[in-house]
Amino acid sequence: GENVEQHPSTLSVQEGDSAVIKCTYSDSASNYFPWYKQELGKRPQLIIDIRSNVGEKKDQRIAVTLNKTAKHFSLHITETQPEDSAVYFCAAAGTALIFGKGTTLSVSS
Amino acid sequence: SQTIHQWPATLVQPVGSPLSLECTVEGTSNPNLYWYRQAAGRGLQLLFYSVGIGQISSEVPQNLSASRPQDRQFILSSKKLLLSDSGFYLCAWGSGTWETQYFGPGTRLLVL
Repeated sequence: GENVEQHPSTLSVQEGDSAVIKCTYSDSASNYFPWYKQELGKRPQLIIDIRSNVGEKKDQRIAVTLNKTAKHFSLHITETQPEDSAVYFCAAAGTALIFGKGTTLSVSS
Repeated sequence: SQTIHQWPATLVQPVGSPLSLECTVEGTSNPNLYWYRQAAGRGLQLLFYSVGIGQISSEVPQNLSASRPQDRQFILSSKKLLLSDSGFYLCAWGSGTWETQYFGPGTRLLVL
């Protein structure tokens, strides 16, 4: 079955810096890749997603890139702010939606 | 617009007691429904999913069960809770199988 690896597990940056979270997947049939943000004690919320026919997608300060050949995709957050501090989950959807184990991002001001 | 509700929001139960958590979705019909558990500081573990009334798929064999008595209602149950059942239970819905999933507010369960 599908396996999704997410790195790093924790990431600390200074306000204004960029943050990059990387995920790899194993099932070449996976064709949909969402990213979720979960603030402490809250539900995970979809922040951006990408489908396999697109290499990059951007929404203001966040962007996702997909390399289908290498089977990896990444979340890029630019000009980080303290409110970006949260746990971020990647996921890959093929025959199931499989989540990575999450990355705890801390942005210090 | 679509809304997903879960209740109760928090629950403290003794070991060996029964459990019933409810999830309802508004604003859509025939949604795919999912139950996840999240242990403290951990990732999302898929427990059950349903593509229609009475159709339940179990991902993890354990002392929990799920039912879908109505199109937009999903229930998670247990006859006897274990300490290891403590966690944050999230219900989610999606319009297509294994597509975008939208999570409910969650139920925080503590088994003592």
